[in-house]
Amino acid sequence: EAGVTQFPSHSVIEKGQTVTLRCDPISGHDNLYWYRRVMGKEIKFLLHFVKESKQDESGMPNNRFLAERTGGTYSTLKVQPAELEDSGVYFCASSPLQGSGANVLTFGAGSRLTVL
Amino acid sequence: GEDVEQSLFLSVREGDSSVINCTYTDSSSTYLYWYKQEPGAGLQLLTYIFSNMDMKQDQRLTVLLNKKDKHLSLRIADTQTGDSAIYFCAEGRMNRDDKIIFGKGTRLHILP
Repeated sequence: EAGVTQFPSHSVIEKGQTVTLRCDPISGHDNLYWYRRVMGKEIKFLLHFVKESKQDESGMPNNRFLAERTGGTYSTLKVQPAELEDSGVYFCASSPLQGSGANVLTFGAGSRLTVL
Repeated sequence: GEDVEQSLFLSVREGDSSVINCTYTDSSSTYLYWYKQEPGAGLQLLTYIFSNMDMKQDQRLTVLLNKKDKHLSLRIADTQTGDSAIYFCAEGRMNRDDKIIFGKGTRLHILP
């Protein structure tokens, strides 16, 4: 079974530019999460999709961040315009809605964003 | 509020046991997790424990939970160089739709 895949693995952009991160969850996982780790700090929750619906977006830092999950499959996280403090590693995770794995998140390798 | 605290660094000699400690504040936590992140890799779930358990053992890993003190520990027996990584403690609650609160991570360094 393929795991959670994220693209790109590393993106370097200038302040003010736009970046779009993509996450492909495990097939059949209706729950999809975005987390972020800023250098040296804790991994913080950004938002949670159940299928294509945003269940909880309380962790989104501001309106420069836009997450979508059209069709309930892959998700994108767009940062526009990027600021220096947006630098960090963005993790995506997925889990099934029900069953034994419902409370176990599988994480992707993360997308490292560097804003210069 | 919700908070998970853990020390940032730990150095252990190869072959010794490593003990990584974590404290959390949310008394209604249902699940306590340990994740491992190796360089360049994602977060790998090592193990998790339900809050109604005191201990869970899985090969070289032993998780101890003191719910009264809100203290969680991960013991790695016979530490190997491959155990060098960042270990994240995390807690979750069923009625929080699986949103997990992470600590800052403990970097485990293995001494030869």
